This record gives sequence, C-alpha cells and structure tokens, in this order.
Amino acid sequence: EDQVTQSPEALRLQEGESSSLNCSYTVSGLRGLFWYRQDPGKGPEFLFTLYSAGEEKEKERLKATLTKKESFLHITAPKPEDSATYLCAIMPGNTGKLIFGQGTTLQVKP
Amino acid sequence: DTGVSQNPRHKITKRGQNVTFRCDPISEHNRLYWYRQTLGQGPEFLTYFQNEAQLEKSRLLSDRFSAERPKGSFSTLEIQRTEQGDSAMYLCASSFGNNEQFFGPGTRLTVL
Repeated sequence: EDQVTQSPEALRLQEGESSSLNCSYTVSGLRGLFWYRQDPGKGPEFLFTLYSAGEEKEKERLKATLTKKESFLHITAPKPEDSATYLCAIMPGNTGKLIFGQGTTLQVKP
Repeated sequence: DTGVSQNPRHKITKRGQNVTFRCDPISEHNRLYWYRQTLGQGPEFLTYFQNEAQLEKSRLLSDRFSAERPKGSFSTLEIQRTEQGDSAMYLCASSFGNNEQFFGPGTRLTVL
C-alpha cells in the first residue's frame, strides 16, 4: 500500500537552531515527492518537487533531499516566520493524485 | 490574482442539507483536484479531472458526493444529505499534467 509517514509530529526550535524533518514513504513506483508548507486556515503552499534518489533542492533556509525510502527537509537557522505545518506527499506512478503524510508542525521561538 | 480560488470560504449547514462548493483553477492548468482535510491530518484525495473528464475517484468518496467540471474550466463539488462527519476543509488544487499541484485557500464546512 502506498503511504507516507512524517516525523516528528511537532517540533519546537529556538530561532537559529537548525534541524531536519523526516518523510518516510512506501510506494509502487514513485513519480515524484512533494513538500508543501501550510499556515493555519490556509491551503498548502508548494515548496519543492523531487523526482529521483540523490536529488536535492534548496530555497532560502530550506533544503530537501530524497533517497529511495525517505526524504528530509533541512531547516538552517530558522526564523519565527518559518513556523508552519510542513506536509510531504508522494505521487505514485500510476496516478495523478497526491498521498499526504500527516504533517510536522514546526514552531520557531525568537 | 491568478491563483486557485474557492467559494465560499466558509459554509455552515444543518445535517441533511445539500451544499455545493466551487473551484476556479489557474487558467492554463488542465488538471483539477479535490481533497479533504480534517484537523491535524494531511489532505486526503477525493477525485480529479483532466479537462472535463473525471479520471479517478477515491474509494472513500461516498455516493453522496459528486463533482463536475463541465467545460474543463471551473469545478463544483456537491455533498448531498450532509452528515456531521462531513465537517472538514475542502481543498481544490490545479496542475498542468503531473507537475506540482497548486492549492486554493479551501472551503471550511461545518455541519451542525
């Protein structure tokens, strides 16, 4: 069964304290792995797409990496405005739908 | 604003009533998706269209739910005989092919 598990469920960091969020997945043929950011009461905001193991993408303080079993979202020197829920999703090869994990809620304190 | 738009943003209804939501995708996108999200969970796939054709429906989508995209542009999602368990955020997204999906702000449904 295609599924996504994210850990931890919640993460509290001090401003400037770097960390990583994990996304483990099982899928019968991966078309792509997607990271989204979601603020309370809003729709998910697209961050990255990763297509193959070894691929990396960066945007400001965020860096996403991909292996055959998991993806990491590294947050370097986070700021309070990085506080949000980060969602990981996979697109299996035989469909156009996304299968999401439950998300990691990040709180960055000043 | 050229992003995905959804209306209404909030809907409160009584159990047993029918509700309809509308989604306007990004204009050049040929695919349109519906997801449902409950508190503390990630979005859950409901159905998607390529142009006007409905290509896939989730097994979780009961026969009380129906979606249309009559001219391959905007889409509507109707829920008949609403139940309290239907209370959730209903999200619409659009994409060009299998590329990244861009989400709208969602419609929050509360069934009393």
